[in-house]
Amino acid sequence: GESVGLHLPTLSVQEGDNSIINCAYSNSASDYFIWYKQESGKGPQFIIDIRSNMDKRQGQRVTVLLNKTVKHLSLQIAATQPGDSAVYFCAESPQGAQKLVFGQGTRLTINP
Amino acid sequence: ETGVTQTPRHLVMGMTNKKSLKCEQHLGHNAMYWYKQSAKKPLELMFVYSLEERVENNSVPSRFSPECPNSSHLFLHLHTLQPEDSALYLCASSQDTPDTQYFGPGTRLTVL
Repeated sequence: GESVGLHLPTLSVQEGDNSIINCAYSNSASDYFIWYKQESGKGPQFIIDIRSNMDKRQGQRVTVLLNKTVKHLSLQIAATQPGDSAVYFCAESPQGAQKLVFGQGTRLTINP
Repeated sequence: ETGVTQTPRHLVMGMTNKKSLKCEQHLGHNAMYWYKQSAKKPLELMFVYSLEERVENNSVPSRFSPECPNSSHLFLHLHTLQPEDSALYLCASSQDTPDTQYFGPGTRLTVL
């Protein structure tokens, strides 16, 4: 079946440290993965995506890693800032399906 | 902002009321989506419209009725809702595939 899960519901990091948010997926037929950030009172905001023919993709301060062998996805945020506080969702797109399947979310809090 | 707007932002309704949620996207996309977001649950896909035709109805009760009059507008008509329908209702849009979806800010619905 389809399920996308996150290893931890909450993550607390010190300002300036790197954050790593993990996600496990179960559908080996998924060919596209995406990370969203949702701040309080707002809708999910696109951060970064990756296709299954890649294992790493970098953006501005963010990196997504894909390990298809163990069906694991991670989001790395460099030099975490107070503005990074939010809930982070991973989602997968099963091949041929007209939808994204979302994980439950990890709440990232930043300690000053 | 993301280019997807939703109105109203907050709605309180009784179980016998009829109301409608509105979504408008200014991105020129050809697919639109309704999601339900409840506390401690993953985002639940409700409906998908592609080129103004419904392509997915995710076993949603008939008290929720979607309407897509054109590629820029999406409505969710509500009638005889239950208290467990209280949630954040999110609209999203994308171009051609469901991969990169852009979300609106959501409508916070409370059913009394």
